[in-house]
Amino acid sequence: EAQVTQNPRYLITVTGKKLTVTCSQNMNHEYMSWYRQDPGLGLRQIYYSMNVEVTDKGDVPEGYKVSRKEKRNFPLILESPSPNQTSLYFCASSLGRRTYNEQFFGPGTRLTVL
Amino acid sequence: GIQVEQSPPDLILQEGANSTLRCNFSDSVNNLQWFHQNPWGQLINLFYIPSGTKQNGRLSATTVATERYSLLYISSSQTTDSGVYFCAVQGDYKLSFGAGTTVTVRA
Repeated sequence: EAQVTQNPRYLITVTGKKLTVTCSQNMNHEYMSWYRQDPGLGLRQIYYSMNVEVTDKGDVPEGYKVSRKEKRNFPLILESPSPNQTSLYFCASSLGRRTYNEQFFGPGTRLTVL
Repeated sequence: GIQVEQSPPDLILQEGANSTLRCNFSDSVNNLQWFHQNPWGQLINLFYIPSGTKQNGRLSATTVATERYSLLYISSSQTTDSGVYFCAVQGDYKLSFGAGTTVTVRA
């Protein structure tokens, strides 16, 4: 089944404890990205990647890191989480970077930082 | 960036009713998608529709790119249609989302 998977789906952590949210897609998509969703602010892009080893900042990159060492994986890293990073996070992927294709979203990760 | 406005913000329907949701955007776009966010928070792809009309069961969508708007039609609504409907447009490499329309379908 073609899909985008994220892990964990739910996470409660404490301020300053490094964490990684994994994202994987099995559709051989070139483009991947991360969004966060907050009440009243909607969905905003954090980082995106147009291909392996190519990443760039979105609208709200502060406090986050990403890497794209393999085409299928695009982990989101919070080196020192803070309470303002409590949010619902989505990973997304689409076919190509030069054409505008339908984007597919993972199931979301609910993160709470105490 | 591209501004996306959705209307109405909230919609309450009786089961079986029809409704229209609207999405206006401020600039030309290369991609437009409609999503349904269910009560568990998952974003479900409804339509990829940068232009034209598509139908999928009781749902259909129309995008008039030259006039910068898209419409989502829900016919014979069911309680499972409840949730938030998002319109998202893509000008460059990211999707810009509207604030959503919260739909509540009552039995």
